[in-house]
Amino acid sequence: QVQLVQSGAEVKKPGASVKVSCTASGYTFISHDISWVRQAPGQGLEWMGWISAYNGNTNYAQKLQGRVTMTTDTSTSTAYMELRSLTSDDTAVYYCARDRENSYGRKTQFDYWGQGTLLTVSS
Amino acid sequence: QSALTQPASVSGSPGQSITISCTGSSSDVGSYDLVSWYQQHPGRAPKLLIYEVNKRPSGVSNRFSGSKSGDTASLTISGLQAEDEADYYCCSYAGSSTRIFGGGTKVTVL
Repeated sequence: QVQLVQSGAEVKKPGASVKVSCTASGYTFISHDISWVRQAPGQGLEWMGWISAYNGNTNYAQKLQGRVTMTTDTSTSTAYMELRSLTSDDTAVYYCARDRENSYGRKTQFDYWGQGTLLTVSS
Repeated sequence: QSALTQPASVSGSPGQSITISCTGSSSDVGSYDLVSWYQQHPGRAPKLLIYEVNKRPSGVSNRFSGSKSGDTASLTISGLQAEDEADYYCCSYAGSSTRIFGGGTKVTVL
């Protein structure tokens, strides 16, 4: 069965960086992109960007451009999301999700999700 | 880009039907039949309910259905059950391989 298992909770100080991992199993890793979605406490979902597990191409949400980097390690079927220059506004649960496309190459759905990684940014 | 607009809350009695709206613009919902819906219980990861406006993944109850008209997509839950009490989010393709979520709707079963 498809599973996405994320790394554990993190506590960081303002200005620091964090790198969250997402290890996939149960499918061919390079066959699907991975998106990252975050959720601040008591708030809604926010799409952060995606990475192609096939060729490493990325597309980041405009508001995070310059602060986020998504990478993959195909040898371990793991995706990573690094966020830099952290502020308290980055305190959230971060999810990875398998990103599906239709036959026209358009992104259609997030069909499997990781369990989430809580990031707390506090001095 | 602002989030898609959803009602903050919707409620219904067991057995009733409720509908959650998701309003976007001609740049997202109105231009693509690529709206998906997710259910999220407290402390849990979201779960896919509907994709491409009205398609249900295997294993999702047929009590959940989706539709779209113009810039507004809708999720209908029929035969409301206690287990349906959760937060619901819409998501749309927004061009250039980007996505946008709705603000979320809390469903309460009375």
